[in-house]
Amino acid sequence: SQQGEEDPQALSIQEGENATMNCSYKTSINNLQWYRQNSGRGLVHLILIRSNEREKHSGRLRVTLDTSKKSSSLLITASRAADTASYFCATRNSGGSNYKLTFGKGTLLTVNP
Amino acid sequence: NAGVTQTPKFQVLKTGQSMTLQCAQDMNHNSMYWYRQDPGMGLRLIYYSASEGTTDKGEVPNGYNVSRLNKREFSLRLESAAPSQTSVYFCASREQNTGELFFGEGSRLTVL
Repeated sequence: SQQGEEDPQALSIQEGENATMNCSYKTSINNLQWYRQNSGRGLVHLILIRSNEREKHSGRLRVTLDTSKKSSSLLITASRAADTASYFCATRNSGGSNYKLTFGKGTLLTVNP
Repeated sequence: NAGVTQTPKFQVLKTGQSMTLQCAQDMNHNSMYWYRQDPGMGLRLIYYSASEGTTDKGEVPNGYNVSRLNKREFSLRLESAAPSQTSVYFCASREQNTGELFFGEGSRLTVL
C-alpha cells in the first residue's frame, strides 16, 4: 500500500502566488523526497530531506518535515506558469529495504498566467 | 549522457500477448526499478533490483517478470497481457549516495 498521501489532490493558483502542498505518511522514515512530473514526462527529483532535518531550501523550494506528525510540506514561492506539474512525495521507510521508495498519489498544481 | 532510456514509448497489445519493456541507464547506478502509474493511483512499485544479479518484488508484481541483464539493463516482461495491465510504465535508477531516483520518460502500454 502507498505510504505517502499528498494534499490537496489539485491546486490552482495565479502566477506570483505561493503554492503549498502537504504529504502525510504512516510509518517511520529515513528520508522523504519530493518529485515533479510534467504532463506526459518522467519524474524529476526536486529535494530530499532526512528524518533528522526539519527544513530545507533549494531555490524557490522550501520543504519542512515534522516526524512527530508524520508530515511534510513543499512550498513553492513566487510561482510561475512553468511550475504547472504534478508533485509527488516519496518515502524510504526505516526498518524496511534500503532500496524501496514509496510514492504518494500526487498533487496537480496549475499556475495560471 | 542519456540518463535512463526506455523502449518502446508506446505499445498496443491484445489480451494474452507477451512483450518486454527495455530499460537502460548510463549512470553506473547499482539499483534499478520498475513502476507503473495509473490515474488516481500514483506510482506503484512492480519490481526492483538492488544490484546486478538480484531482483525483488515490489507492491504489485503479479503478472510481471524482470531480468537484470547486466548493470546497465533491467527489463520488464508481461508473459500474458491483461487489460488491467494497461498503464504507463516507468523505469528508474538510483544514485547510491543521495538516494535520488532518475526516471525514464515512460512506456505507454494499452492492452485490448
